[in-house]
Amino acid sequence: AQTVTQSQPEMSVQEAETVTLSCTYDTSESDYYLFWYKQPPSRQMILVIRQEAYKQQNATENRFSVNFQKAAKSFSLKISDSQLGDAAMYFCAYRSWSGGGADGLTFGKGTHLIIQP
Amino acid sequence: DSGVTQTPKHLITATGQRVTLRCSPRSGDLSVYWYQQSLDQGLQFLIQYYNGEERAKGNILERFSAQQFPDLHSELNLSSLELGDSALYFCASSSGGAGDYGYTFGSGTRLTVV
Repeated sequence: AQTVTQSQPEMSVQEAETVTLSCTYDTSESDYYLFWYKQPPSRQMILVIRQEAYKQQNATENRFSVNFQKAAKSFSLKISDSQLGDAAMYFCAYRSWSGGGADGLTFGKGTHLIIQP
Repeated sequence: DSGVTQTPKHLITATGQRVTLRCSPRSGDLSVYWYQQSLDQGLQFLIQYYNGEERAKGNILERFSAQQFPDLHSELNLSSLELGDSALYFCASSSGGAGDYGYTFGSGTRLTVV
């Protein structure tokens, strides 16, 4: 079974600064998807960014980018120019490719991101 | 509004009771997934349905069951409720086709068992 580990229960960053959230995973599969989800106080789960394991290029969505290191099984999220609205729980998640869509996400325990004004 | 509708938003019930949570997927999505978020267990995948058929099972208890109806809405039934079943239950949907990996989550149902 796959596991996802987020080793930082909480991170704090000054507004407008850059912060990196860490995620490592364990799998024996070669093809899979990785995701970062944001959960603000409203509890809504919001997709931030996703990465297909077969793609070497790191995904980028505006101020959000990832550093995907497949050999190291590492998938970190970098948030540039942090804004107050970025304050939330951030979850790293893994999804198998081989299931053909027949599987769920495996989540890490989450990192609570605090933005200091 | 994500397009995935979950009802009710909040539910308070007593131990031993049975409740039903409802989910309407985003228009056009055939797959529905149920997740449980609790302080103890974090976010856990429970079960997936695709076009009316069960497709994958996660850490779903035997006291829990789900189904997906012809109109594609899904219901999660929780019975013989225990205090530890108190959690936020999410539904998510996706198209479920080849290459599909995009989930859309609903806003969740907060279940409190007293």
